[in-house]
Amino acid sequence: AQSVTQPDIHITVSEGASLELRCNYSYGATPYLFWYVQSPGQGLQLLLKYFSGDTLVQGIKGFEAEFKRSQSSFNLRKPSVHWSDAAEYFCAVGAGAGGYQKVTFGTGTKLQVIP
Amino acid sequence: NAGVTQTPKFRVLKTGQSMTLLCAQDMNHEYMYWYRQDPGMGLRLIHYSVGEGTTAKGEVPDGYNVSRLKKQNFLLGLESAAPSQTSVYFCASRPAVGREYFGPGTRLTVT
Repeated sequence: AQSVTQPDIHITVSEGASLELRCNYSYGATPYLFWYVQSPGQGLQLLLKYFSGDTLVQGIKGFEAEFKRSQSSFNLRKPSVHWSDAAEYFCAVGAGAGGYQKVTFGTGTKLQVIP
Repeated sequence: NAGVTQTPKFRVLKTGQSMTLLCAQDMNHEYMYWYRQDPGMGLRLIHYSVGEGTTAKGEVPDGYNVSRLKKQNFLLGLESAAPSQTSVYFCASRPAVGREYFGPGTRLTVT
């Protein structure tokens, strides 16, 4: 069965500092991997996805993620965090057609940005 | 194009009461999903539908029923609400090939 682990429940960074959110997955084949962001009181918005090809994936809002098969990881990064990035971030692994048929979410990492 | 909408936004129920949550999408999407989100648990799939007239169980289906009588609507029913069903419920839809679009959520409290 597929699963996702986000080991950090809360992370606090200073505005302008770099960010890395960790995600480890378990899946039998080549995974479909996603990062979503959820602002307070809002639904989820897709930041980026990995299906195949280049292991460094660029997303919206200046985020990127790197797929490392040897480490079963798909960490999310941003070189300089803005106060508006404060939100909860979810990593997810997908299966089935296009990776969207069955999506399993991690438990989320809540990001706090301090001035 | 409103995307995915959910009705109501908030609801408080007493134990044993019933209610229906409505999800509507105007994007002609085939697939629709109901998730619940609880602190420290992430999103968990309750039921989903791969097309009009079809439904299937997800990870946590017990205590919920769903119907997809029209392609654009996906209803989630609670026949006899329990405090354990206090949660935020998210609906999502997607085309046959493509990503999910999420609704804004319904916050349900069962006392």
